[in-house]
Amino acid sequence: QPVVTQLSSVSASLGASVNLTCTLSSGHSHNAIAWHQQQPEKGPRFLMKINRDGSHNKGDGIPDRFSGSGSGTERYLSISSLQSDDEADYYCQAWGGGVRVFGGGTKLTVL
Amino acid sequence: EVQLVESGGGLVQPGGSLRLSCAASGFTFNTYTMSWVRQAPGKGLEWLSFISVTGSTIFYADSVRGRFTISRDNAKNSVYLQMNSLRAEDMAVYYCARELTGLGYFDLWGRGTLVTVSS
Repeated sequence: QPVVTQLSSVSASLGASVNLTCTLSSGHSHNAIAWHQQQPEKGPRFLMKINRDGSHNKGDGIPDRFSGSGSGTERYLSISSLQSDDEADYYCQAWGGGVRVFGGGTKLTVL
Repeated sequence: EVQLVESGGGLVQPGGSLRLSCAASGFTFNTYTMSWVRQAPGKGLEWLSFISVTGSTIFYADSVRGRFTISRDNAKNSVYLQMNSLRAEDMAVYYCARELTGLGYFDLWGRGTLVTVSS
């Protein structure tokens, strides 16, 4: 099954844009992944699925400020016009062979 | 309202057992596969177990195989996690999550239930 890797933390300024990266293990460049957001003291929320071709399918009610793309073994979550409540942990999720796997999460700090 | 609501968490001694429940509402439960995921204090998300629509296909993470049992009752729109031989490292918030059959990713999460393992 795939392994997914994320940077542990990223920071960006209010109103700016940021890209979060999820890297699939070697041999899994064809895999789709999903991004989930977890705001402080809340449960996770599905943001979007990103396919191997970079196309993405968003969850209900996810703002246009959130978008996704991909290249090779990397899958990106882009957030524009950062707001204070975008400050959260973002988890990349992959699947294969019956197993579901998460990256370690990226803590996004909005300055 | 489309939602998942977990229950059954609480304080249990090491070696003890607990049964978690997840009640689904607002959608056609028997068209979705389900999983349990947990999050230890200050840690990331850990997938634990998957069950197919009919319950005929089940997978477990290595960390819980042989101790935890997933099941579902489509008539009650519910999925369960029986946890035996609990250890201190099982202490976490436990979430249920749904995925549209065969797609592999979770599109709806519950709010979680806290399991504390302590003597």
